[in-house]
This record gives sequence, C-alpha cells and structure tokens, in this order.
Amino acid sequence: GAGVSQSPSNKVTEKGKDVELRCDPISGHTALYWYRQSLGQGLEFLIYFQGNSAPDKSGLPSDRFSAERTGGSVSTLTIQRTQQEDSAVYLCASSLMGRGGGEQYFGPGTRLTVT
Amino acid sequence: ILNVEQSPQSLHVQEGDSTNFTCSFPSSNFYALHWYRWETAKSPEALFVMTLNGDEKKKGRISATLNTKEGYSYLYIKGSQPEDSATYLCALKTSYDKVIFGPGTSLSVIP
Repeated sequence: GAGVSQSPSNKVTEKGKDVELRCDPISGHTALYWYRQSLGQGLEFLIYFQGNSAPDKSGLPSDRFSAERTGGSVSTLTIQRTQQEDSAVYLCASSLMGRGGGEQYFGPGTRLTVT
Repeated sequence: ILNVEQSPQSLHVQEGDSTNFTCSFPSSNFYALHWYRWETAKSPEALFVMTLNGDEKKKGRISATLNTKEGYSYLYIKGSQPEDSATYLCALKTSYDKVIFGPGTSLSVIP
C-alpha cells in the first residue's frame, strides 16, 4: 500500500520568504508527527497531531513555525519569514493511534535550503 | 523534561564483529519502546516495537531486549556487515501517542 508521502522533496527559498511543506500520511493513521534534522544533528521533534488537534506543540522552534491538519489526513507545516537556520530535512511520520506498538512510518522528507 | 539517552554516540567495528548499544529511559513513563534504523539519505525504518518487560525481539542478525523496571533496552548485532552501517535510534512512547527519540548511535562497519 501507499506509504507516507511528502512534498516537495526539495525546496530552495530566499531568506524572508514563507514556505509550506506537505505531508500525506498512511490512510487510517490518526497520529501524525513532524520532525527535522539539521546538518550533523539528530531527529528533532516539532509537533504531533491526534486527528486534527495538536496536543503537543512544544517542539516548534519559534512562532514563525505553524502546522495544521485537516480532515484527519493531510498536514502542512508552514515556516514564515524563513531564516538560514531553518535549513534542514523536514520529516513527517504517521502511526496508528491506540494501545500497542504504534511504530512510526516515515516519509522521504523535504530538504529545505534557505539562501 | 523526559530524556532518552543512547550510548555510545558512535561506534566503528570490523566486519564480522558483534556489537551492542544501549538505550536508557525513565522507567516511570514507559508505554512502549521502539528501535529504528536510519541509513544515510533514507528515512528511519522501524526495527522493533517492544511493550513488555523482558521482551526479546529478533530480526535476522539483530536482536533487542527490554527492561522496563530499570529503564533500558539493548540492541545487539551479530556478525556486523557493512550494510548494517546506519544510525540506530530508540524512541520511548510515553502515552497514547507522545514519542521521544534518543540522539542515536551511529554505527560504521569497516569491511
């Protein structure tokens, strides 16, 4: 079946511009997560959704970052007034909600470069 | 703030060597423990999901154990191969859906 998809796969933008990153989770997965990996760093948690609500936004690095999820499916991560330190690979993952394992299935990522 | 720790940070082994690394987590917040393998230029992929104290999981040459009472999990690789080179992440699931990743152990297997 279809896995998690993300678009675009690569994005180059000028400092100060806004960008929107999209994530399509696996159908039926109610939990959705956003992470980023900056150069030489590990996986940094940004935000997660249960359905359309985001119980934990603690990882968003600044108020320039926002995310939404509609219809319990597609999610968009928006970065306003991008800065060079926003350059990173942004990963989305989804999982089945509920008891038990709930391992995450990751998308291929969006590589964002801010020039 | 809950913290998941992994050690060592990086490891270089010769092909054929067996190796192991550790994931430590606060035992009071345990719901499930995941291990992921993250190859360069790819996305992390789940290796194991462990939920019960004493769990042992195996996939080929890779196995994992879990001790929820003392808050640790071990990942073992028997007879390391170059294709095992990757970063191995553990992640603690603390509730229905909150997941905290450790910083990872970077493994390089030298042919």
